[in-house]
Amino acid sequence: DVKVTQSSRYLVKRTGEKVFLECVQDMDHENMFWYRQDPGLGLRLIYFSYDVKMKEKGDIPEGYSVSREKKERFSLILESASTNQTSMYLCASSFSLAGGTDTQYFGPGTRLTVL
Amino acid sequence: SQQGEEDPQALSIQEGENATMNCSYKTSINNLQWYRQNSGRGLVHLILIRSNEREKHSGRLRVTLDTSKKSSSLLITASRAADTASYFCASSYRYGNKLVFGAGTILRVKS
Repeated sequence: DVKVTQSSRYLVKRTGEKVFLECVQDMDHENMFWYRQDPGLGLRLIYFSYDVKMKEKGDIPEGYSVSREKKERFSLILESASTNQTSMYLCASSFSLAGGTDTQYFGPGTRLTVL
Repeated sequence: SQQGEEDPQALSIQEGENATMNCSYKTSINNLQWYRQNSGRGLVHLILIRSNEREKHSGRLRVTLDTSKKSSSLLITASRAADTASYFCASSYRYGNKLVFGAGTILRVKS
Protein backbone atom coordinates (compact mmCIF):
# COMPACT_ATOMS: atom_id res chain seq x y z
CA ASP A 1 0.00 0.00 0.00
CA VAL A 2 1.12 3.52 -0.76
CA LYS A 3 1.96 5.48 2.27
CA VAL A 4 2.17 9.25 2.49
CA THR A 5 3.14 10.60 5.87
CA GLN A 6 3.14 14.14 7.18
CA SER A 7 5.35 15.27 10.02
CA SER A 8 2.61 16.59 12.31
CA ARG A 9 -1.16 16.16 12.67
CA TYR A 10 -1.56 19.38 14.64
CA LEU A 11 0.72 22.39 14.81
CA VAL A 12 0.39 25.72 16.62
CA LYS A 13 2.73 28.56 15.66
CA ARG A 14 3.01 32.27 16.32
CA THR A 15 2.74 35.03 13.74
CA GLY A 16 6.09 35.67 12.08
CA GLU A 17 7.55 32.23 12.79
CA LYS A 18 9.10 30.14 10.03
CA VAL A 19 7.16 26.92 9.66
CA PHE A 20 8.22 23.68 8.00
CA LEU A 21 5.73 21.02 6.97
CA GLU A 22 7.29 17.76 5.85
CA CYS A 23 5.82 15.09 3.61
CA VAL A 24 7.31 11.69 2.76
CA GLN A 25 6.02 9.08 0.28
CA ASP A 26 7.25 5.53 -0.15
CA MET A 27 6.07 4.69 -3.68
CA ASP A 28 8.75 6.31 -5.82
CA HIS A 29 6.17 8.75 -7.24
CA GLU A 30 7.43 11.48 -9.53
CA ASN A 31 4.79 14.02 -8.54
CA MET A 32 4.20 15.54 -5.15
CA PHE A 33 1.67 18.21 -4.19
CA TRP A 34 0.80 20.57 -1.37
CA TYR A 35 -2.80 21.72 -0.92
CA ARG A 36 -4.59 23.77 1.65
CA GLN A 37 -8.18 23.08 2.53
CA ASP A 38 -10.53 25.66 3.98
CA PRO A 39 -14.27 25.35 4.67
CA GLY A 40 -16.33 26.16 1.61
CA LEU A 41 -13.27 26.54 -0.63
CA GLY A 42 -12.35 22.91 -1.23
CA LEU A 43 -8.74 21.98 -1.96
CA ARG A 44 -6.48 24.63 -3.43
CA LEU A 45 -3.10 23.77 -4.88
CA ILE A 46 -0.18 25.67 -3.38
CA TYR A 47 2.81 24.11 -5.14
CA PHE A 48 3.68 20.88 -6.85
CA SER A 49 6.83 19.12 -7.93
CA TYR A 50 7.23 16.73 -10.84
CA ASP A 51 10.83 15.75 -10.15
CA VAL A 52 13.64 16.29 -7.67
CA LYS A 53 14.56 19.97 -7.41
CA MET A 54 11.71 20.86 -9.80
CA LYS A 55 8.70 22.83 -8.65
CA GLU A 56 5.78 24.72 -10.09
CA LYS A 57 3.45 27.24 -8.54
CA GLY A 58 -0.12 26.21 -8.03
CA ASP A 59 -3.11 28.46 -7.61
CA ILE A 60 -2.14 30.12 -4.31
CA PRO A 61 1.67 30.14 -3.89
CA GLU A 62 1.96 33.53 -2.18
CA GLY A 63 3.52 33.30 1.26
CA TYR A 64 4.81 29.77 0.67
CA SER A 65 7.90 28.09 -0.71
CA VAL A 66 8.80 24.43 -1.22
CA SER A 67 11.83 22.20 -1.31
CA ARG A 68 12.36 18.81 -2.92
CA GLU A 69 15.92 17.62 -2.43
CA LYS A 70 15.05 13.91 -2.52
CA LYS A 71 12.41 12.15 -4.56
CA GLU A 72 10.50 10.87 -1.54
CA ARG A 73 10.37 14.12 0.42
CA PHE A 74 8.53 17.38 -0.28
CA SER A 75 8.62 20.23 2.21
CA LEU A 76 6.31 23.22 2.46
CA ILE A 77 7.77 26.32 4.08
CA LEU A 78 5.89 29.28 5.47
CA GLU A 79 8.60 31.92 5.58
CA SER A 80 6.75 34.17 8.03
CA ALA A 81 3.52 32.63 9.25
CA SER A 82 0.42 34.79 9.31
CA THR A 83 -3.01 34.19 10.82
CA ASN A 84 -4.58 33.83 7.36
CA GLN A 85 -2.44 30.74 6.85
CA THR A 86 -4.36 28.90 9.55
CA SER A 87 -5.69 25.93 7.63
CA MET A 88 -5.57 22.20 6.96
CA TYR A 89 -2.56 21.33 4.81
CA LEU A 90 -2.65 18.16 2.72
CA CYS A 91 0.24 16.53 0.92
CA ALA A 92 -0.25 14.10 -1.97
CA SER A 93 1.82 12.12 -4.44
CA SER A 94 1.22 10.38 -7.78
CA PHE A 95 2.81 8.83 -10.81
CA SER A 96 2.86 10.83 -14.01
CA LEU A 97 0.66 9.87 -16.94
CA ALA A 98 1.10 10.94 -20.51
CA GLY A 99 -1.32 13.83 -20.93
CA GLY A 100 -2.77 13.88 -17.46
CA THR A 101 -2.30 12.82 -13.87
CA ASP A 102 -2.84 9.51 -12.16
CA THR A 103 -4.49 8.81 -8.83
CA GLN A 104 -3.20 10.97 -6.02
CA TYR A 105 -2.44 9.46 -2.63
CA PHE A 106 -2.93 11.76 0.31
CA GLY A 107 -1.34 12.08 3.69
CA PRO A 108 -3.50 12.48 6.84
CA GLY A 109 -3.15 16.27 6.84
CA THR A 110 -1.63 18.84 9.19
CA ARG A 111 -3.98 21.24 10.92
CA LEU A 112 -1.96 24.42 11.38
CA THR A 113 -3.07 27.20 13.68
CA VAL A 114 -1.21 30.51 13.57
CA LEU A 115 -1.81 32.72 16.61
CA SER B 1 -11.19 29.74 -11.71
CA GLN B 2 -10.62 26.26 -13.09
CA GLN B 3 -12.42 24.68 -10.19
CA GLY B 4 -15.21 22.30 -11.06
CA GLU B 5 -18.55 22.43 -9.36
CA GLU B 6 -20.38 19.79 -7.41
CA ASP B 7 -23.96 19.51 -6.37
CA PRO B 8 -25.58 19.17 -4.04
CA GLN B 9 -23.38 20.86 -1.47
CA ALA B 10 -24.90 18.63 1.19
CA LEU B 11 -27.04 15.52 1.16
CA SER B 12 -28.77 13.73 4.02
CA ILE B 13 -30.30 10.28 3.48
CA GLN B 14 -31.41 7.22 5.42
CA GLU B 15 -29.29 4.09 5.59
CA GLY B 16 -30.13 1.79 2.69
CA GLU B 17 -31.03 4.60 0.30
CA ASN B 18 -28.97 5.55 -2.74
CA ALA B 19 -26.92 8.75 -2.87
CA THR B 20 -26.14 10.60 -6.09
CA MET B 21 -23.61 13.39 -6.40
CA ASN B 22 -22.90 15.41 -9.53
CA CYS B 23 -19.81 17.15 -10.79
CA SER B 24 -19.18 19.51 -13.69
CA TYR B 25 -15.85 20.51 -15.16
CA LYS B 26 -14.64 23.10 -17.62
CA THR B 27 -12.38 21.83 -20.41
CA SER B 28 -11.27 18.58 -22.02
CA ILE B 29 -10.09 16.03 -19.52
CA ASN B 30 -7.83 13.01 -19.55
CA ASN B 31 -9.66 11.42 -16.63
CA LEU B 32 -11.96 12.29 -13.75
CA GLN B 33 -11.48 10.98 -10.23
CA TRP B 34 -13.62 10.76 -7.14
CA TYR B 35 -12.27 10.95 -3.59
CA ARG B 36 -13.75 10.56 -0.12
CA GLN B 37 -12.69 12.45 2.99
CA ASN B 38 -13.72 11.44 6.46
CA SER B 39 -13.91 14.30 8.93
CA GLY B 40 -10.52 15.85 9.60
CA ARG B 41 -8.62 13.29 7.55
CA GLY B 42 -6.79 13.04 4.23
CA LEU B 43 -8.56 12.16 1.00
CA VAL B 44 -8.92 8.57 -0.16
CA HIS B 45 -9.17 7.73 -3.84
CA LEU B 46 -12.40 5.92 -4.78
CA ILE B 47 -12.51 5.55 -8.54
CA LEU B 48 -11.00 6.91 -11.75
CA ILE B 49 -12.86 7.10 -15.05
CA ARG B 50 -11.02 7.86 -18.28
CA SER B 51 -12.31 10.25 -20.91
CA ASN B 52 -13.09 7.40 -23.31
CA GLU B 53 -15.19 5.55 -20.71
CA ARG B 54 -18.85 6.25 -20.01
CA GLU B 55 -19.51 4.19 -16.91
CA LYS B 56 -17.48 2.41 -14.28
CA HIS B 57 -18.35 0.30 -11.24
CA SER B 58 -16.51 -0.50 -8.07
CA GLY B 59 -18.45 -2.38 -5.40
CA ARG B 60 -21.39 -0.15 -4.40
CA LEU B 61 -20.03 2.76 -6.44
CA ARG B 62 -21.11 3.63 -9.94
CA VAL B 63 -19.57 6.54 -11.82
CA THR B 64 -20.78 7.93 -15.13
CA LEU B 65 -19.07 10.43 -17.40
CA ASP B 66 -20.73 12.56 -20.07
CA THR B 67 -18.00 14.42 -21.94
CA SER B 68 -20.52 16.25 -24.14
CA LYS B 69 -22.01 17.86 -21.02
CA LYS B 70 -18.69 17.98 -19.17
CA SER B 71 -20.25 16.27 -16.20
CA SER B 72 -19.92 13.19 -14.03
CA SER B 73 -22.06 11.50 -11.40
CA LEU B 74 -21.19 9.30 -8.45
CA LEU B 75 -23.86 6.91 -7.23
CA ILE B 76 -23.49 5.10 -3.93
CA THR B 77 -26.04 2.29 -3.64
CA ALA B 78 -27.45 0.87 -0.41
CA SER B 79 -25.72 3.51 1.67
CA ARG B 80 -24.38 2.80 5.14
CA ALA B 81 -23.67 5.06 8.11
CA ALA B 82 -19.96 4.53 7.40
CA ASP B 83 -20.41 6.28 4.02
CA THR B 84 -20.88 9.56 5.90
CA ALA B 85 -18.07 11.75 4.55
CA SER B 86 -17.27 14.51 2.07
CA TYR B 87 -16.95 13.47 -1.56
CA PHE B 88 -14.84 15.35 -4.09
CA CYS B 89 -14.52 15.06 -7.83
CA ALA B 90 -11.17 15.95 -9.39
CA SER B 91 -10.47 16.62 -13.06
CA SER B 92 -7.21 15.66 -14.71
CA TYR B 93 -6.79 17.92 -17.71
CA ARG B 94 -5.04 16.87 -20.87
CA TYR B 95 -1.97 18.98 -20.27
CA GLY B 96 -0.16 19.17 -16.97
CA ASN B 97 0.21 17.08 -13.88
CA LYS B 98 -2.46 18.71 -11.74
CA LEU B 99 -5.87 17.73 -10.52
CA VAL B 100 -8.55 20.37 -10.16
CA PHE B 101 -10.88 19.59 -7.25
CA GLY B 102 -14.50 20.52 -6.84
CA ALA B 103 -15.75 22.05 -3.60
CA GLY B 104 -17.20 18.73 -2.47
CA THR B 105 -20.50 17.24 -1.39
CA ILE B 106 -21.08 16.50 2.30
CA LEU B 107 -22.99 13.23 2.63
CA ARG B 108 -24.70 12.25 5.86
CA VAL B 109 -26.20 8.79 6.15
CA LYS B 110 -28.55 8.42 9.08
CA SER B 111 -28.97 5.04 10.75
